[in-house]
Amino acid sequence: GQQVMQIPQYQHVQEGEDFTTYCNSSTTLSNIQWYKQRPGGHPVFLIQLVKSGEVKKQKRLTFQFGEAKKNSSLHITATQTTDVGTYFCLSNSNSGYALNFGKGTSLLVTP
Amino acid sequence: NAGVTQTPKFQVLKTGQSMTLQCAQDMNHEYMSWYRQDPGMGLRLIHYSVGAGITDQGEVPNGYNVSRSTTEDFPLRLLSAAPSQTSVYFCASSYRGTGHGYTFGSGTRLTVV
Repeated sequence: GQQVMQIPQYQHVQEGEDFTTYCNSSTTLSNIQWYKQRPGGHPVFLIQLVKSGEVKKQKRLTFQFGEAKKNSSLHITATQTTDVGTYFCLSNSNSGYALNFGKGTSLLVTP
Repeated sequence: NAGVTQTPKFQVLKTGQSMTLQCAQDMNHEYMSWYRQDPGMGLRLIHYSVGAGITDQGEVPNGYNVSRSTTEDFPLRLLSAAPSQTSVYFCASSYRGTGHGYTFGSGTRLTVV
């Protein structure tokens, strides 16, 4: 299946700072999904992007899908301590079924 | 409540023992899958199923078996546990196709000594 590289692996910010994580692929992706996993918890689906150049927002979270559909980003504006966790991107294989996660970006927010 | 139920939540096995991790969903999802999560390795796909009677291997299938006799259940069997299988295991399900998010169970933390 397609592999995505996710950067950075870790990010430590002060509360109120912005945060961005990136997913990059060498091949064109049919779609990309984003998940959040709180410490000790399980991944929770946030959003799916399908169209080239697509931008979606959820309150302070902005998700983008690149024009070439080879990269995606998640941006959090003015982080809060509730944003702590690991953010994963997920791409499907060409068959549409085998799911390959990026290794995730762990976000730590200190007050 | 609707969702994905995994049992047990915690398990300690001795090397060589076998066991089955249970996963059940009540959302009539066609797609089900098993992942293992290890520090620094993210989530790696073990096996998946696109419907009853159909299974396929993921990235790290060795040492694990699955079957899908019903839409609801997708058990993961460890044939002969090894310390390298110490991990957190997640089951996930979804409607068929790429247009839906995946619902994850709360996980099974397995330690093999």
